[in-house]
Amino acid sequence: DAKTTQPTSMDCAEGRAANLPCNHSTISGNEYVYWYRQIHSQGPQYIIHGLKNNETNEMASLIITEDRKSSTLILPHATLRDTAVYYCIVLNNNAGNMLTFGGGTRLMVKP
Amino acid sequence: GAGVSQSPSNKVTEKGKDVELRCDPISGHTALYWYRQSLGQGLEFLIYFQGNSAPDKSGLPSDRFSAERTGGSVSTLTIQRTQQEDSAVYLCASSTNRAGANVLTFGAGSRLTVL
Repeated sequence: DAKTTQPTSMDCAEGRAANLPCNHSTISGNEYVYWYRQIHSQGPQYIIHGLKNNETNEMASLIITEDRKSSTLILPHATLRDTAVYYCIVLNNNAGNMLTFGGGTRLMVKP
Repeated sequence: GAGVSQSPSNKVTEKGKDVELRCDPISGHTALYWYRQSLGQGLEFLIYFQGNSAPDKSGLPSDRFSAERTGGSVSTLTIQRTQQEDSAVYLCASSTNRAGANVLTFGAGSRLTVL
């Protein structure tokens, strides 16, 4: 059961902002939006998560629409090292629920 | 330790042999997860441990797969009578499992190749 929909792949020029969209139209009120990424041959890495307010940390910004049916992960100045598969996951706030990874978006940052 | 440690990093075995994969979670993390990732595929959930509760084994693909978590810390994933389709990277993750902030930290994985 696909709770999120992401484009299969995207390209971004080095130094530009990378905006990765995610649709989660069936999200429920107690579900958070989490973003992870997986760089080639490494384990997934947590990036950011949010419920309804926009969030920012040292890695990225997360913009969640007012109706919470979609969100955008923003890497403000993409570098070649940001080339990875980016996963958008919705997860309810009950402790103990495991992440279910979909196909993600393969972001290619090009020089 | 500072991160999730998995061993071995690479394992090559012959079809029919048993293998054990080990995961050392971050100290203090109560939740531990096993996933696997076949070549070019997404992550597939296998099993989840939370404290002293019975593990969630709903993702184990067959009864050849089992996992233990001793003392609420180290976990071992065992695959008996390995098959070629078991070849994958096996990833372990741990978390503090706080509601609303269930952030998983993953290890680098154990790459299993079954010949």
